Amino acid sequence: EAGVAQSPRYKIIEKRQSVAFWCNPISGHATLYWYQQILGQGPKLLIQFQNNGVVDDSQLPKDRFSAERLKGVDSTLKIQPAKLEDSAVYLCASSANQAGGTDTQYFGPGTRLTVL
Amino acid sequence: AQSVTQLGSHVSVSEGALVLLRCNYSSSVPPYLFWYVQYPNQGLQLLLKYTSAATLVKGINGFEAEFKKSETSFHLTKPSAHMSDAAEYFCAVSVTNAGKSTFGDGTTLTVKP
Repeated sequence: EAGVAQSPRYKIIEKRQSVAFWCNPISGHATLYWYQQILGQGPKLLIQFQNNGVVDDSQLPKDRFSAERLKGVDSTLKIQPAKLEDSAVYLCASSANQAGGTDTQYFGPGTRLTVL
Repeated sequence: AQSVTQLGSHVSVSEGALVLLRCNYSSSVPPYLFWYVQYPNQGLQLLLKYTSAATLVKGINGFEAEFKKSETSFHLTKPSAHMSDAAEYFCAVSVTNAGKSTFGDGTTLTVKP
């Protein structure tokens, strides 16, 4: 079974530029998550999708961050314009969201963003 | 709201020694608890999870954790450390079956030969 794929793996941009990250979840997984992991901290949820609908985006800085999951499969996360404090690893995770039991999240390798 | 505190941002043990990584949680409802491991430049991998069944949870790579409600703790242990265990470990809490997880800030485990 293929894991969660993310691209690019690394990105360096200057502040005020825009950037986009792509995530392809595990096939058949209904739920997709984007996390931001700042150096020295644990991951923080930015947005959660259930199929192509948003379940939770309470911690997404909506003035500069946007995300979409068209057709309930792949997802993109965009930052426009980027700030220095956006430097972090952006992790995508997916889960099957099976009824009953606990829903295990499977994480991709992440995209490391450096904003100069 | 739920939260997680991992005591000790860095833990160093000798190869073959006991590994103990501490996690305390706060939750207003019965929690789901997780331990993840993250190797450099990789995503998080689930080690084990507590889902209100047995309080002693066994995971992969010889790790286990015990849920103690009275202490609001979910400490991770391994009887004998291996060099390959060197990584960063995250404790996380969730209050729903399919909801978001709140993570601690992580503990970096170093294993000395």
